[in-house]
Amino acid sequence: AQSVTQLDSQVPVFEEAPVELRCNYSSSVSVYLFWYVQYPNQGLQLLLKYLSGSTLVKGINGFEAEFNKSQTSFHLRKPSVHISDTAEYFCAVGKADKLIFGTGTRLQVFP
Amino acid sequence: DAGITQSPRHKVTETGTPVTLRCHQTENHRYMYWYRQDPGHGLRLIHYSYGVKDTDKGEVSDGYSVSRSKTEDFLLTLESATSSQTSVYFCAIRDSRRSSGNTIYFGEGSWLTVV
Repeated sequence: AQSVTQLDSQVPVFEEAPVELRCNYSSSVSVYLFWYVQYPNQGLQLLLKYLSGSTLVKGINGFEAEFNKSQTSFHLRKPSVHISDTAEYFCAVGKADKLIFGTGTRLQVFP
Repeated sequence: DAGITQSPRHKVTETGTPVTLRCHQTENHRYMYWYRQDPGHGLRLIHYSYGVKDTDKGEVSDGYSVSRSKTEDFLLTLESATSSQTSVYFCAIRDSRRSSGNTIYFGEGSWLTVV
Protein backbone atom coordinates (compact mmCIF):
# COMPACT_ATOMS: atom_id res chain seq x y z
CA ALA A 1 0.00 0.00 0.00
CA GLN A 2 1.09 3.55 -0.64
CA SER A 3 0.71 6.55 1.62
CA VAL A 4 1.76 10.17 1.73
CA THR A 5 2.50 12.35 4.73
CA GLN A 6 2.70 16.11 4.55
CA LEU A 7 4.17 17.06 7.87
CA ASP A 8 3.06 20.69 7.98
CA SER A 9 -0.58 21.66 7.63
CA GLN A 10 0.31 25.36 7.46
CA VAL A 11 3.50 27.22 6.58
CA PRO A 12 3.61 31.00 7.10
CA VAL A 13 6.46 32.86 5.42
CA PHE A 14 7.35 36.40 4.49
CA GLU A 15 7.58 37.50 0.89
CA GLU A 16 11.00 36.90 -0.75
CA ALA A 17 11.97 34.35 1.89
CA PRO A 18 12.79 30.75 0.93
CA VAL A 19 10.32 27.99 1.67
CA GLU A 20 10.33 24.21 1.91
CA LEU A 21 7.16 22.11 2.03
CA ARG A 22 7.81 18.62 3.27
CA CYS A 23 6.46 15.38 1.85
CA ASN A 24 7.27 11.82 2.86
CA TYR A 25 5.84 8.73 1.23
CA SER A 26 5.76 5.01 1.75
CA SER A 27 5.55 2.46 -0.98
CA SER A 28 6.71 -1.09 -1.55
CA VAL A 29 7.37 -0.43 -5.23
CA SER A 30 8.93 2.35 -7.24
CA VAL A 31 6.57 5.22 -7.76
CA TYR A 32 5.97 8.47 -9.51
CA LEU A 33 5.73 11.57 -7.32
CA PHE A 34 3.80 14.75 -7.93
CA TRP A 35 3.18 18.17 -6.43
CA TYR A 36 -0.05 19.99 -7.17
CA VAL A 37 -1.10 23.52 -6.25
CA GLN A 38 -4.62 24.69 -5.55
CA TYR A 39 -5.54 28.36 -5.55
CA PRO A 40 -8.74 29.40 -3.73
CA ASN A 41 -11.92 28.06 -5.31
CA GLN A 42 -10.05 26.38 -8.14
CA GLY A 43 -9.06 22.88 -9.15
CA LEU A 44 -5.62 21.37 -8.73
CA GLN A 45 -2.84 22.35 -11.08
CA LEU A 46 0.26 20.25 -11.64
CA LEU A 47 3.42 21.95 -10.34
CA LEU A 48 5.98 19.27 -11.08
CA LYS A 49 6.52 15.53 -11.22
CA TYR A 50 9.23 12.96 -10.74
CA LEU A 51 9.09 9.93 -13.02
CA SER A 52 12.70 8.77 -13.17
CA GLY A 53 16.21 10.05 -13.83
CA SER A 54 17.52 13.22 -12.22
CA THR A 55 16.40 13.51 -8.63
CA LEU A 56 16.07 17.30 -8.84
CA VAL A 57 12.91 18.25 -10.65
CA LYS A 58 12.02 21.76 -11.73
CA GLY A 59 8.45 22.88 -12.12
CA ILE A 60 6.39 25.93 -12.89
CA ASN A 61 6.49 29.23 -11.02
CA GLY A 62 10.10 28.71 -9.85
CA PHE A 63 9.39 25.65 -7.71
CA GLU A 64 11.61 22.61 -7.54
CA ALA A 65 11.60 19.34 -5.64
CA GLU A 66 14.18 16.73 -4.82
CA PHE A 67 13.49 13.02 -4.76
CA ASN A 68 15.37 11.26 -1.98
CA LYS A 69 14.88 7.53 -2.17
CA SER A 70 16.76 6.67 1.03
CA GLN A 71 14.65 9.09 3.05
CA THR A 72 11.49 8.44 1.01
CA SER A 73 10.98 12.16 0.68
CA PHE A 74 9.99 14.58 -2.07
CA HIS A 75 10.24 18.04 -0.53
CA LEU A 76 9.14 21.11 -2.48
CA ARG A 77 11.27 24.25 -2.41
CA LYS A 78 11.31 27.78 -3.71
CA PRO A 79 14.21 30.16 -3.06
CA SER A 80 12.08 33.32 -2.93
CA VAL A 81 8.31 33.30 -2.57
CA HIS A 82 5.78 35.84 -3.78
CA ILE A 83 2.41 36.85 -2.41
CA SER A 84 0.86 35.06 -5.37
CA ASP A 85 2.27 31.74 -4.13
CA THR A 86 -0.30 31.74 -1.34
CA ALA A 87 -2.22 28.54 -1.97
CA GLU A 88 -2.60 24.96 -0.81
CA TYR A 89 -0.03 22.44 -1.98
CA PHE A 90 -0.60 18.71 -2.29
CA CYS A 91 1.96 15.95 -2.61
CA ALA A 92 0.83 12.76 -4.35
CA VAL A 93 2.29 9.32 -5.02
CA GLY A 94 1.29 6.64 -7.48
CA LYS A 95 2.29 4.67 -10.51
CA ALA A 96 -0.41 2.29 -11.59
CA ASP A 97 -4.01 3.31 -11.89
CA LYS A 98 -4.47 5.95 -9.18
CA LEU A 99 -2.81 8.62 -7.09
CA ILE A 100 -2.79 8.86 -3.32
CA PHE A 101 -2.72 12.39 -1.96
CA GLY A 102 -1.39 13.92 1.21
CA THR A 103 -3.62 16.12 3.35
CA GLY A 104 -2.13 19.32 1.98
CA THR A 105 0.00 22.21 3.21
CA ARG A 106 -1.38 25.72 3.21
CA LEU A 107 1.34 28.20 2.28
CA GLN A 108 0.60 31.72 3.48
CA VAL A 109 2.91 34.41 2.19
CA PHE A 110 2.91 37.71 4.10
CA PRO A 111 4.14 41.07 2.78
CA ASP B 1 -6.32 22.41 -19.92
CA ALA B 2 -7.22 18.72 -20.16
CA GLY B 3 -10.67 19.33 -21.56
CA ILE B 4 -12.58 18.40 -18.40
CA THR B 5 -15.96 19.91 -17.64
CA GLN B 6 -17.89 19.29 -14.45
CA SER B 7 -21.57 20.00 -13.93
CA PRO B 8 -23.17 21.36 -11.94
CA ARG B 9 -20.46 23.53 -10.43
CA HIS B 10 -22.55 24.38 -7.40
CA LYS B 11 -25.55 22.60 -5.92
CA VAL B 12 -27.55 22.71 -2.72
CA THR B 13 -29.75 19.71 -2.04
CA GLU B 14 -31.79 18.26 0.78
CA THR B 15 -30.93 15.22 2.84
CA GLY B 16 -32.31 12.05 1.32
CA THR B 17 -32.51 13.28 -2.26
CA PRO B 18 -30.53 11.72 -5.10
CA VAL B 19 -27.82 13.80 -6.74
CA THR B 20 -25.82 13.17 -9.90
CA LEU B 21 -22.63 14.97 -10.80
CA ARG B 22 -21.37 14.79 -14.35
CA CYS B 23 -17.83 14.82 -15.67
CA HIS B 24 -17.24 15.28 -19.37
CA GLN B 25 -13.90 15.01 -21.15
CA THR B 26 -13.04 15.82 -24.73
CA GLU B 27 -9.71 13.99 -25.18
CA ASN B 28 -10.71 10.33 -25.13
CA HIS B 29 -8.75 9.40 -22.00
CA ARG B 30 -9.34 5.90 -20.73
CA TYR B 31 -9.01 6.57 -17.01
CA MET B 32 -11.36 8.90 -15.14
CA TYR B 33 -11.67 9.54 -11.42
CA TRP B 34 -13.91 11.09 -8.80
CA TYR B 35 -12.28 12.55 -5.70
CA ARG B 36 -13.75 14.46 -2.80
CA GLN B 37 -11.88 17.19 -0.93
CA ASP B 38 -12.49 17.95 2.72
CA PRO B 39 -10.51 20.06 5.18
CA GLY B 40 -7.90 17.98 6.97
CA HIS B 41 -8.33 15.04 4.62
CA GLY B 42 -6.89 16.30 1.37
CA LEU B 43 -8.26 14.49 -1.66
CA ARG B 44 -9.74 11.05 -1.28
CA LEU B 45 -10.62 8.74 -4.14
CA ILE B 46 -14.29 7.77 -4.37
CA HIS B 47 -14.45 5.70 -7.58
CA TYR B 48 -12.54 5.45 -10.78
CA SER B 49 -13.07 4.05 -14.25
CA TYR B 50 -10.62 2.37 -16.60
CA GLY B 51 -12.95 2.12 -19.57
CA VAL B 52 -16.55 2.10 -20.67
CA LYS B 53 -18.57 0.16 -18.08
CA ASP B 54 -15.37 -0.65 -16.17
CA THR B 55 -15.27 0.93 -12.74
CA ASP B 56 -13.74 0.25 -9.35
CA LYS B 57 -14.04 1.52 -5.81
CA GLY B 58 -11.70 3.95 -4.13
CA GLU B 59 -11.08 4.52 -0.45
CA VAL B 60 -14.37 6.32 0.35
CA SER B 61 -16.93 4.69 -1.96
CA ASP B 62 -19.76 4.03 0.53
CA GLY B 63 -22.88 5.98 -0.40
CA TYR B 64 -21.71 6.63 -3.95
CA SER B 65 -22.19 4.90 -7.27
CA VAL B 66 -20.76 5.66 -10.69
CA SER B 67 -21.50 4.91 -14.30
CA ARG B 68 -19.61 5.23 -17.52
CA SER B 69 -21.65 4.40 -20.61
CA LYS B 70 -19.51 6.52 -22.93
CA THR B 71 -15.78 7.25 -22.94
CA GLU B 72 -16.35 10.95 -22.51
CA ASP B 73 -18.77 10.90 -19.56
CA PHE B 74 -18.30 9.70 -15.99
CA LEU B 75 -21.26 10.15 -13.64
CA LEU B 76 -21.15 10.18 -9.85
CA THR B 77 -24.45 9.51 -8.05
CA LEU B 78 -25.34 9.99 -4.43
CA GLU B 79 -28.35 7.73 -4.10
CA SER B 80 -29.62 9.42 -0.93
CA ALA B 81 -27.56 12.44 0.01
CA THR B 82 -26.43 12.93 3.62
CA SER B 83 -24.87 15.92 5.34
CA SER B 84 -21.54 14.06 5.53
CA GLN B 85 -21.43 14.19 1.74
CA THR B 86 -21.23 17.96 1.75
CA SER B 87 -17.90 18.44 0.02
CA VAL B 88 -16.09 19.60 -3.07
CA TYR B 89 -16.00 16.94 -5.73
CA PHE B 90 -13.28 16.80 -8.34
CA CYS B 91 -13.27 14.82 -11.51
CA ALA B 92 -9.92 13.89 -13.00
CA ILE B 93 -8.49 12.14 -16.02
CA ARG B 94 -5.23 10.31 -16.46
CA ASP B 95 -3.06 11.17 -19.41
CA SER B 96 -1.61 7.78 -20.31
CA ARG B 97 0.71 9.00 -23.02
CA ARG B 98 4.29 7.92 -22.35
CA SER B 99 5.57 11.48 -22.13
CA SER B 100 3.03 12.36 -19.49
CA GLY B 101 4.02 9.66 -17.00
CA ASN B 102 0.40 8.99 -16.19
CA THR B 103 -0.16 12.52 -14.94
CA ILE B 104 -3.61 13.14 -13.53
CA TYR B 105 -5.39 16.36 -14.47
CA PHE B 106 -8.32 17.81 -12.59
CA GLY B 107 -11.54 19.58 -13.39
CA GLU B 108 -12.60 22.78 -11.68
CA GLY B 109 -14.68 21.09 -9.00
CA SER B 110 -18.33 20.79 -7.99
CA TRP B 111 -19.38 22.30 -4.67
CA LEU B 112 -22.15 20.22 -3.11
CA THR B 113 -24.02 21.24 0.03
CA VAL B 114 -26.48 18.83 1.63
CA VAL B 115 -28.88 20.53 4.05
